[in-house]
Amino acid sequence: QVQLQESGPGLVKPSETLSLSCAVSGGSVSSSEYYWGWIRQPPGKGLEWIGSIYFSGTTYYNPSVKSRVTISLATSNNQFSLKLSSVTAADTAVYYCARVLNGYVNDAFAFWGQGSMVTVSS
Amino acid sequence: EIVLTQSPGTLWLSPGERATLSCRASQSVSSNYLAWYQQKPGQAPRLLIYGASTRATGIPDRFSGSGFGTDFTLTVSRLEPEDFAVYYCQQYGSSPNTFGQGTKLEIK
Repeated sequence: QVQLQESGPGLVKPSETLSLSCAVSGGSVSSSEYYWGWIRQPPGKGLEWIGSIYFSGTTYYNPSVKSRVTISLATSNNQFSLKLSSVTAADTAVYYCARVLNGYVNDAFAFWGQGSMVTVSS
Repeated sequence: EIVLTQSPGTLWLSPGERATLSCRASQSVSSNYLAWYQQKPGQAPRLLIYGASTRATGIPDRFSGSGFGTDFTLTVSRLEPEDFAVYYCQQYGSSPNTFGQGTKLEIK
């Protein structure tokens, strides 16, 4: 059973860069043919897909954040990470990492981390 | 991008009753790539249905999905107390994949 766990600062200042990591167990981010993604949920609101990365390192991003986001693999410790630059209060959300059900970039998300709350405030 | 509109916003029902949740897409969802998730307070979403009608592993058969094109439905045949939660639909047929705003299922 695949398990994911987010980690990172809970508070980020406006205009700075949000950085989160996702530790994966029960599967390999670099050898299993799946996409690994980030999804966020502002307080009391719905879900927004941020982007996904393939085991090969190929990335796909939501146009809404594409100019500010970078997702990368950290294969040595079986993790993948999210960086979101120039954050504003609108980026305050619970950030989830997840793995798709099958091997497609556009796919349902079958496995989710517990979520990491990030607040953007000075 | 495809906009998903879920209705109703809140559904008030009692345990044992049948729940019918709707998800309407602004354009046709390719290959019926439509998923449903359940989310309880403080928890991550849980995948219930994918491909519009296929139950995910471990999901009770009281949950069923149907629909095609732009109109999709999640049905819970007999509500159990643990089913009261927020439900989201997601289309993954077109990029970017998008989610609906959610339907909250409340105990009457």
